Amino acid sequence: DAMVIQNPRYQVTQFGKPVTLSCSQTLNHNVMYWYQQKSSQAPKLLFHYYDKDFNNEADTPDNFQSRRPNTSFCFLDIRSPGLGDTAMYLCATSRDTGRTEAFFGQGTRLTVV
Amino acid sequence: QQQVKQSPQSLIVQKGGISIINCAYENTAFDYFPWYQQFPGKGPALLIAIRPDVSEKKEGRFTISFNKSAKQFSLHIMDSQPGDSATYFCAANGNQFYFGTGTSLTVIP
Repeated sequence: DAMVIQNPRYQVTQFGKPVTLSCSQTLNHNVMYWYQQKSSQAPKLLFHYYDKDFNNEADTPDNFQSRRPNTSFCFLDIRSPGLGDTAMYLCATSRDTGRTEAFFGQGTRLTVV
Repeated sequence: QQQVKQSPQSLIVQKGGISIINCAYENTAFDYFPWYQQFPGKGPALLIAIRPDVSEKKEGRFTISFNKSAKQFSLHIMDSQPGDSATYFCAANGNQFYFGTGTSLTVIP
């Protein structure tokens, strides 16, 4: 049974056209993460929420935004996608920060054309 | 700055052999060290994890060795099987997860 669900699995968007990716969890975890993973690279943390507290990585472009309206859902908004934003976007959750495991969704493969 | 350094980048092992992947870190605040397995087109899945108060953890064919003083840890896959062919990421967690650069493992029959 999937515990972290990402939608859609595949998304194609045009250059500059806003796109939203969604993530939901059934684990009731406090922390939700968004990672960007480009081909043959490690996942790169974009930001995370601890409950309602938003924590942005210093090098995350302003073009990337996130919303967490409740415990179960988290969204990644890309305001003006560029070709370089083509990647797999991974959502993960953990019960807490530190000393706990993270559970990943299947990812959304985003292609910007 | 890469918080967790991983090697090798790719690894080819014969079926039945031992696969060894190494990671090193600098930040002594890290207190949880998981290994993730990722198949193409899928999200990473937790394989095994260790905390710094133990030097070794074994689960089936998978073993993590942890050297706190050297700030290094490694994954050993015993009796490697073709189904183990995947990309493996080490990670370290202080208050967020940092991933190594990944190792593409191919186990040939």
